[in-house]
Amino acid sequence: KNQVEQSPQSLIILEGKNCTLQCNYTVSPFSNLRWYKQDTGRGPVSLTIMTFSENTKSNGRYTATLDADTKQSSLHITASQLSDSASYICVVSYGSGNTGKLIFGQGTTLQVKP
Amino acid sequence: NAGVTQTPKFQVLKTGQSMTLQCAQDMNHNSMYWYRQDPGMGLRLIYYSASEGTTDKGEVPNGYNVSRLNKREFSLRLESAAPSQTSVYFCASTPRTGGNYGYTFGSGTRLTVV
Repeated sequence: KNQVEQSPQSLIILEGKNCTLQCNYTVSPFSNLRWYKQDTGRGPVSLTIMTFSENTKSNGRYTATLDADTKQSSLHITASQLSDSASYICVVSYGSGNTGKLIFGQGTTLQVKP
Repeated sequence: NAGVTQTPKFQVLKTGQSMTLQCAQDMNHNSMYWYRQDPGMGLRLIYYSASEGTTDKGEVPNGYNVSRLNKREFSLRLESAAPSQTSVYFCASTPRTGGNYGYTFGSGTRLTVV
């Protein structure tokens, strides 16, 4: 069964600290993996995308990694800011071409405290 | 650029009432989608429209109908609302179907059915 599991479910950190969010997937055939940030009351916004051949991708203070062998991805946030408080969603695409489909993880809720 | 616009932002319905959620995009995208987001679960696809004039069922279509009014607009209708349809609904669009495109999401409609 195609699945995407994220951990932890929620996380609280102090401003300025780093954190890492995890995503494990069992999807076949894998196409790509995206991380989205969803602020409270807003729709998700794409942070990064990685294909099978990519193992790291950065977007400012956000760095995503992908291990296609173990089917794991992580999102590392450096020097957290209050504005990083949000839900982070891992989304895996499988299939190919116009028939490709998405599976959304349940998200990790991050709270950054001053 | 407005991106994807959803109306209304909030709605309370009584069981058995009907309503239509509106969605419009100004990015000239061919494909549009309706998702629902429930606590502790990933976004689930209700219906999608690969292109103007076509609609297809997603993962959880029961109790919903859709209309692709034109290239810009894609509406979701609840004919007889049930408490199980209490959720946050997101509309999204992509240039074409398939998993290779980042989704642009609207800000969501929070629906409560009492």
